[in-house]
Amino acid sequence: DAKTTQPPSMDCAEGRAANLPCNHSTISGNEYVYWYRQIHSQGPQYIIHGLKNNETNEMASLIITEDRKSSTLILPHATLRDTAVYYCIVRLPSGGSYIPTFGRGTSLIVHP
Amino acid sequence: EPEVTQTPSHQVTQMGQEVILRCVPISNHLYFYWYRQILGQKVEFLVSFYNNEISEKSEIFDDQFSVERPDGSNFTLKIRSTKLEDSAMYFCASILLGGAGEQFFGPGTRLTVL
Repeated sequence: DAKTTQPPSMDCAEGRAANLPCNHSTISGNEYVYWYRQIHSQGPQYIIHGLKNNETNEMASLIITEDRKSSTLILPHATLRDTAVYYCIVRLPSGGSYIPTFGRGTSLIVHP
Repeated sequence: EPEVTQTPSHQVTQMGQEVILRCVPISNHLYFYWYRQILGQKVEFLVSFYNNEISEKSEIFDDQFSVERPDGSNFTLKIRSTKLEDSAMYFCASILLGGAGEQFFGPGTRLTVL
């Protein structure tokens, strides 16, 4: 089972910030938080990742709580093209003996 | 920008036939994965592959499935005798070891078993 919990759906007005929460209360000290999204039936697309510091890139910002038990992905100015299923995944950074697991994610609908 | 590619984009086959799905990971990536997604369901892990051998596999990855890296660039998934329930999107992914650990996914192959 996925080690994360996300709301099944959210909606957001175009141009507004979309804040997608994720709970990962069982995260271990060396596991990272990764966010991906899947637009329709395309392959999942990497968005951002972090360990304990907040991170920002050209796509989004990631806010991780101090206890690392939850995080929030922020799309600062959502567009219609951001409509997708967003997945929060907790795992080791690469390799290792683990099985990366996708949950059901959050279906974000951006409306005009 | 380098990307993972997959062929074919759509494969239609008869039940019981063998299929081979092909992936070309990003050239300097060393860790590879296959996932599948049945229509309307979650993305499911099948197998990971490193250093020319299987690293991890899920219970879905039974004896009907095999993976291979035949020539140092292609990464293939073979289904020996397809079943109706194998109909799904199959995604290949790769990771750069020593990098940030982000998986790069291909566009997928839609497999339809009739």
